[in-house]
Amino acid sequence: GAVVSQHPSWVICKSGTSVKIECRSLDFQATTMFWYRQFPKQSLMLMATSNEGSKATYEQGVEKDKFLINHASLTLSTLTVTSAHPEDSSFYICSASQGAEETQYFGPGTRLLVL
Amino acid sequence: KQEVTQIPAALSVPEGENLVLNCSFTDSAIYNLQWFRQDPGKGLTSLLLIQSSQREQTSGRLNASLDKSSGRSTLYIAASQPGDSATYLCAVRGSTLGRLYFGRGTQLTVWP
Repeated sequence: GAVVSQHPSWVICKSGTSVKIECRSLDFQATTMFWYRQFPKQSLMLMATSNEGSKATYEQGVEKDKFLINHASLTLSTLTVTSAHPEDSSFYICSASQGAEETQYFGPGTRLLVL
Repeated sequence: KQEVTQIPAALSVPEGENLVLNCSFTDSAIYNLQWFRQDPGKGLTSLLLIQSSQREQTSGRLNASLDKSSGRSTLYIAASQPGDSATYLCAVRGSTLGRLYFGRGTQLTVWP
């Protein structure tokens, strides 16, 4: 089956630093990747959609300069949280698909804690 | 904007009971609906996917139904087990760009 990995699974950082999270499709080519954020006992909220080789499309209210998304290859997308603050602490989950209208396969998530 | 609601928010039952989890959505123009399971601190595991043209899907002890016109779906879990304890998320897929809209989930606890 289609497998999506995320790295790291856990990250703790100091306020003001930047953190990069990787999302990889291991056995298929992902032309589209999605980044979600989930706060405790809340739903998954879509942050942005990225297509390989082009700029990401951000959802309303998501700061593109703070959450940098790069999708430079068909198997890798990265989310960089710049100048992280405690309110950025959350669970970040990516999903990958072979096209915007194809089935999304989810990664295991990355827990970010900003001190 | 599509809104997805799940009821109940939490459910605690003894082992062996049959369960019904509910999901409702405001815009019936959906591409499909999917039920996921999420264990604490983990990612999502897809359980069942129902296309907009289908009425139900079954997998083992799980059965999901879809009534698109009324904006409702139910997930039926037969003979619940402690291993079923998790949060169950409902997500509808909009008709464009593959976007998924998630509910907040139902946190299920099945005790022995």
